[in-house]
Amino acid sequence: GESVGLHLPTLSVQEGDNSIINCAYSNSASDYFIWYKQESGKGPQFIIDIRSNMDKRQGQRVTVLLNKTVKHLSLQIAATQPGDSAVYFCALEGSMMDSSYKLIFGSGTRLLVRP
Amino acid sequence: DTGVSQDPRHKITKRGQNVTFRCDPISEHNRLYWYRQTLGQGPEFLTYFQNEAQLEKSRLLSDRFSAERPKGSFSTLEIQRTEQGDSAMYLCASRPTASYNSPLHFGNGTRLTVT
Repeated sequence: GESVGLHLPTLSVQEGDNSIINCAYSNSASDYFIWYKQESGKGPQFIIDIRSNMDKRQGQRVTVLLNKTVKHLSLQIAATQPGDSAVYFCALEGSMMDSSYKLIFGSGTRLLVRP
Repeated sequence: DTGVSQDPRHKITKRGQNVTFRCDPISEHNRLYWYRQTLGQGPEFLTYFQNEAQLEKSRLLSDRFSAERPKGSFSTLEIQRTEQGDSAMYLCASRPTASYNSPLHFGNGTRLTVT
């Protein structure tokens, strides 16, 4: 089955520094990977996604890297700001062949931005 | 606001009572999902609908839980004979049918407290 794990439960960074949040997964058939940000009292908010035929994708201040060889996903946030403080979740979806159209979430990393 | 809407935002109930939550997805989204999230954990999949058809249910969804989407628009999640272990955030999400490998759009959830 699919499982998603995170290396660190809490990450503390200085404002202006870059942040890197890591995620490991076990299902090599996973086709789709996604990062969400969740602030207190709110639902998860989409940040960036990547499909298995890519190894890097960039957005505004965020980059997702996918290493399928070691089944590892990372989220990089450039010039971290106080508003980036939140819990970050990686999630994945199985292949279309599995006919399972749902996202499986990891347990999250809390990002704390020090002023 | 055309996002996913959930009602109520908070519900406090006594053990043994029944509760019902409502979700209104984004109007053009045919797929609707329910997830449960406990403190410090990532969202856990419960069930999903395509239009009015319930296509998959998690083993987490005991027989005390029932979800419906009678007209293929809004959905309800009912928990009968609530237990303290049911205390959690219940999240609803939606996505268009044709968009395999696309983000789920989440509402801000219903927080249930069972006393």
